[in-house]
Amino acid sequence: AQKVTQAQTEISVVEKEDVTLDCVYETRDTTYYLFWYKQPPSGELVFLIRRNSFDEQNEISGRYSWNFQKSTSSFNFTITASQVVDSAVYFCALRSNSGYALNFGKGTSLLVTP
Amino acid sequence: NAGVMQNPRHLVRRRGQEARLRCSPMKGHSHVYWYRQLPEEGLKFMVYLQKENIIDESGMPKERFSAEFPKEGPSILRIQQVVRGDSAAYFCASSPLESGNTEAFFGQGTRLTVV
Repeated sequence: AQKVTQAQTEISVVEKEDVTLDCVYETRDTTYYLFWYKQPPSGELVFLIRRNSFDEQNEISGRYSWNFQKSTSSFNFTITASQVVDSAVYFCALRSNSGYALNFGKGTSLLVTP
Repeated sequence: NAGVMQNPRHLVRRRGQEARLRCSPMKGHSHVYWYRQLPEEGLKFMVYLQKENIIDESGMPKERFSAEFPKEGPSILRIQQVVRGDSAAYFCASSPLESGNTEAFFGQGTRLTVV
């Protein structure tokens, strides 16, 4: 069985602070893929990143960075110097190589205030 | 290159009516997935379709829900005799490949309200 846990339900930060969103996953598969999606207040789902289980290199994209650690089954997401536009619900998801479905966590609601 | 298009964005139905949700995948994508997001919940997989075939419907409720992806035209998620518990956001996603090693791009969702 696959499971994704995002223990932080809500996070509130002040603009320019750094913030890390946690994601812990469970799977018995050796090949799998991890994703992060952003859902802004307008409601659409925006793809942010896909990482496969064989690639533990951390990734940085502008103010966003991701830390994938297989040893702790975690795929954490850090926003540096947060901005008000980062306010959204962020979902972590897991998909096996043999499956079709994305298994989503319940999401973390991030509020960035001026 | 247009993204995944869903319509309508908002749909209100009375209990007992039918709801039809449409999804046009991204150009070149032949794999379509439907997910449901209940209030305060994450997204739950419902069904995976390829053109004219349902591949996996393990997440679909056994009654009242059906999905299709015809050779021509959009994918349709159909809910018959809607009940208040069907109120949710329904998202469609598409991908170019079947395997897990690919992004799934989502539409903007259809928010169904049953009154």
